[in-house]
Amino acid sequence: DAMVIQNPRYQVTQFGKPVTLSCSQTLNHNVMYWYQQKSSQAPKLLFHYYDKDFNNEADTPDNFQSRRPNTSFCFLDIRSPGLGDAAMYLCATSRESGRINQPQHFGDGTRLSIL
Amino acid sequence: DQQVKQNSPSLSVQEGRISILNCDYTNSMFDYFLWYKKYPAEGPTFLISISSIKDKNEDGRFTVFLNKSAKHLSLHIVPSQPGDSAVYFCAASGDKVIFGPGTSLSVIP
Repeated sequence: DAMVIQNPRYQVTQFGKPVTLSCSQTLNHNVMYWYQQKSSQAPKLLFHYYDKDFNNEADTPDNFQSRRPNTSFCFLDIRSPGLGDAAMYLCATSRESGRINQPQHFGDGTRLSIL
Repeated sequence: DQQVKQNSPSLSVQEGRISILNCDYTNSMFDYFLWYKKYPAEGPTFLISISSIKDKNEDGRFTVFLNKSAKHLSLHIVPSQPGDSAVYFCAASGDKVIFGPGTSLSVIP
């Protein structure tokens, strides 16, 4: 089955220690998204890639970076995690972006805890 | 500033009855609306959508209604089943997608 896979499902890191979350897709979609979701809140878009074009949301902290080495993989790097970065991180894909009228396909998320 | 609001954090409904989940938005430039369903420990999955040029879209037990003048949409599930128990996210799309905070639906057998 075509799908979006996030690894690991659970990640624990220390305050200030860099961490990388990964996402892969077999859907061959052009667009990959990273969302941050805190408890009982809406998923918040951090950034997205349309193919190799990176699109950062204006309010995404500089602490968050992303890499997309190829169509299938996308990484979220948190350079110096703070306690406020503890959250569920969701990766999603869609065929196109722009004026979006296509559903996004989500992975099951990585829950990040900061010690 | 929440552009997409789901004012009911939770909803309980008896099995077989209708579930109505509500969503309000503030930006009149949104032109496409989607509902996602999320089970615990899983990512959201797409459920149903509606274009702003329509006022109703139906798919089996799920119907979405859009009232553009009121900037309001609702998801009706009838009849509700225990397997429908999940968190439902409303999302609005323009040049990007904005999600609401979700409503947790419990369908009681």
